[in-house]
Parts: sequence; structure tokens; C-alpha cells
Amino acid sequence: GAVVSQHPSWVICKSGTSVKIECRSLDFQATTMFWYRQFPKQSLMLMATSNEGSKATYEQGVEKDKFLINHASLTLSTLTVTSAHPEDSSFYICSASGYLLSNQPQHFGDGTRLSIL
Amino acid sequence: DAKTTQPPSMDCAEGRAANLPCNHSTISGNEYVYWYRQIHSQGPQYIIHGLKNNETNEMASLIITEDRKSSTLILPHATLRDTAVYYCIVRVGGGGADGLTFGKGTHLIIQP
Repeated sequence: GAVVSQHPSWVICKSGTSVKIECRSLDFQATTMFWYRQFPKQSLMLMATSNEGSKATYEQGVEKDKFLINHASLTLSTLTVTSAHPEDSSFYICSASGYLLSNQPQHFGDGTRLSIL
Repeated sequence: DAKTTQPPSMDCAEGRAANLPCNHSTISGNEYVYWYRQIHSQGPQYIIHGLKNNETNEMASLIITEDRKSSTLILPHATLRDTAVYYCIVRVGGGGADGLTFGKGTHLIIQP
């Protein structure tokens, strides 16, 4: 089945630094990738949608200058949390959808646990 | 996307069938029922989806009522590794250009 890889799986960094998370589709071309965030004991919340070669679309309340998304190829999207602060600590998860998988489900990465000290 | 209602938690004995219900009374004719699960500290895993016919794969079976207002996910022989939060999501078919809306799901606990 379709495989989505996310890296790193876990990161701890100091407040004020920027953190980049990668999401790769390993065996299919992902025309659309999605970024979600999950706080403890809560469900996943969609942050943004990115289409290859175009600007990401952000959900209401998500700061686009804070969470930079790049989807430069059909197999890679990156999420950069800029000037991260403790309130940005969360579980970040990506998913991918391909144009050749027209009636198939989205496939998720294993998530990145971000802790800001 | 249509709203779904699931029980917050369920227990099931290991080796028995786990039957997880989902109500989606406002489902539209072109909306599919998708099931995902999330094991602790992992990304969601796709299980199965269907439109109106019952579906079965190597993981589970999906039973959709004739009026499509509810469905049941069946794990035929539950194991401890099936302990997870199960999400029922209704949406227009397709991998799609839209992100998924996750409710609170059902926390299934498999008891030894």
C-alpha cells in the first residue's frame, strides 16, 4: 500500500528556534499533502493543504507566517515552525493524496512529536 | 462533510469480534464512509471505506445500513494490538483535495 514517511519522529529544541519537518510519499506521486496538529487527548486538526507547485491553503486560525509549508515536488512537502515557542509543542502529522489514487484514502505519516523548551 | 456520532469508548475481549458503530444520519448520496484508527503516538492508519455496499478487506469488514444512515466496523478477531482510537469519517469520495475532519472517535480497548 501507499507509504508516507515523516522525519524527524521526535524533536526537542529551545524556544525561538525554527524546526523543519519533512513529509515524503515513498511509492506514489502526491499532488496534495495535508498537515495536521494534535494536542494531548485531542483529535487531529487540519492546519493546511498544500498542492505541488503552489501556495498552501491554511485553515482559519493557523498563522501562515508561523507555519511555512513548501511542496516543491510530487514526493516531498516540508513544514517549518518558525520561532517556535512552548505553545507550539504538539504532535504534527502529514498525509498525502495522489491524482492517480482518485478514489482511494489519504495515507498518513507516523507523525513528529515537537517539544519546545 | 456529514457529521458522525460514535461512542467515546468500548471494551472487547481478545479473540472476540469488535463491532464499532457509527451514526451518520445526514450523509449525502455521494459521500463515502471511511474508517481510520490511531494507535497511541502514531499517525492514523486507513482501515476501510465504502459507499453503500458492505466491504471486507484483510483488516476489517464494513457494514452499511440500507438507508446509509449508520455503519458498523467489524474487527473479526480482535487482538491487543487493535487497541486504538477508531475514527468514522464521512466525505465525498476520492483521495481528494480536502483534508479530513476528525471527530473524537471511539477508544477501543481490547482486554486480555
